This record gives sequence, C-alpha cells and structure tokens, in this order.
Amino acid sequence: ILNVEQSPQSLHVQEGDSTNFTCSFPSSNFYALHWYRWETAKSPEALFVMTLNGDEKKKGRISATLNTKEGYSYLYIKGSQPEDSATYLCAFVIYSGGYQKVTFGTGTKLQVIP
Amino acid sequence: GAGVSQSPRYKVAKRGQDVALRCDPISGHVSLFWYQQALGQGPEFLTYFQNEAQLDKSGLPSDRFFAERPEGSVSTLKIQRTQQEDSAVYLCASSWAGTGGYGYTFGSGTRLTVV
Repeated sequence: ILNVEQSPQSLHVQEGDSTNFTCSFPSSNFYALHWYRWETAKSPEALFVMTLNGDEKKKGRISATLNTKEGYSYLYIKGSQPEDSATYLCAFVIYSGGYQKVTFGTGTKLQVIP
Repeated sequence: GAGVSQSPRYKVAKRGQDVALRCDPISGHVSLFWYQQALGQGPEFLTYFQNEAQLDKSGLPSDRFFAERPEGSVSTLKIQRTQQEDSAVYLCASSWAGTGGYGYTFGSGTRLTVV
C-alpha cells in the first residue's frame, strides 16, 4: 500500500485570496503525479500530469510544482474565485507489471467564500 | 461518445441484492479502471483492464465483486449480495494505453447506497 497524503483536508478562503495545498508521496519508483479537480456532481477533471523532477505547470490561475526527490507536489491557486470550489485530488503513479498503477490521495476540499 | 458514461447515476439496493454498474469508456481507450470512493476518502483502486484483459483485480474487496469487459469497450462491475459497507461512489476512468501525458478521463460515477 502506497502512502499518498494531501493537506490540508479542507480549506475555506475568501474570494481573491491565494492558496496552496500539498500532496506527499513516496520518493521511490516515481513515474508520474497527476492533479485532478472534482466538482460536486461532476467527473474528476485532469488538471496536470507531471513527470519530471522540478516540473512546473500552469493553467490560468492554477499552477503546480513537483519535487520527486523529496516526494511532494504543491498546487497553487492565485486569486481564488467561487468557481474554484472543488475537491483537489492528487494521484501518484508507478509503473509495475507492464502498466501504470495509481494511488490517489484523500483530497483537499476547497471552498471559496464570495 | 465524447466522455466516459456511467449508469445508473444513483442506485439504492436492499442488503443482499445483486447490482450491476455499467461503464462506457471513450471509444478507442485501451485502459479502463474502476475505483471505489467511500465518504471522506480518496478513490481506491478496484481493478484494471487493458482491452478485454483484466490485468489487475487486486483491489476488489471480496469475491462478491466481479468486473468484466468482454469486448474491450463497455465494462460492468457486479456486486453480489450487497452489504452496507459497499455503499460508496464507484468511478470508472479510461485512457489511451497507459496515461501518456493526458491523465485519465473519469465518468460521473455511480453512487450506490445499500439499505
């Protein structure tokens, strides 16, 4: 069983605030790290797929960094908006037995207050 | 179709009843995964198909759980003699071989409530 932890578990921020949360994962056998946004009553949506140590990815106001040597990734949201309210999941991927195996974190639930 | 389709969206089953959950992946997606998400938890792996071959079923919690993908497209997750602890959201995800650089495409899930 691979230990993938996300913190904090939940977060309330005011509209316009910037925020960040963490995904911690094993530092061995790394293959990829995914971030997903999961809005209530919708499907999880892929935000980023990160594969290289030091990767930084950005999509609009959301960005992510990756440190595979120490086993963590940060997700940043700049100037939070109510539509950013969702659960953010990270997924740690290893390659084993000829295919990719994925372990999800428990998620960070973000609520942006107007 | 344009996305991954799951049905039914909601299912209420009496304890002991058998249920079947359907996943219709994106056409051409080789890989198909089933996940179970209990309340307050992250999705947990159940089983993985590459085309019609079930390569990993190590996450299925008991022999009451059975999954198939006979023609390499639509998949069905069957739960026999449902128990209250089976209540969860069951998510299906598909991708091209592996995930490449694209991540998985998820369905909306089936919320199963066993009463």
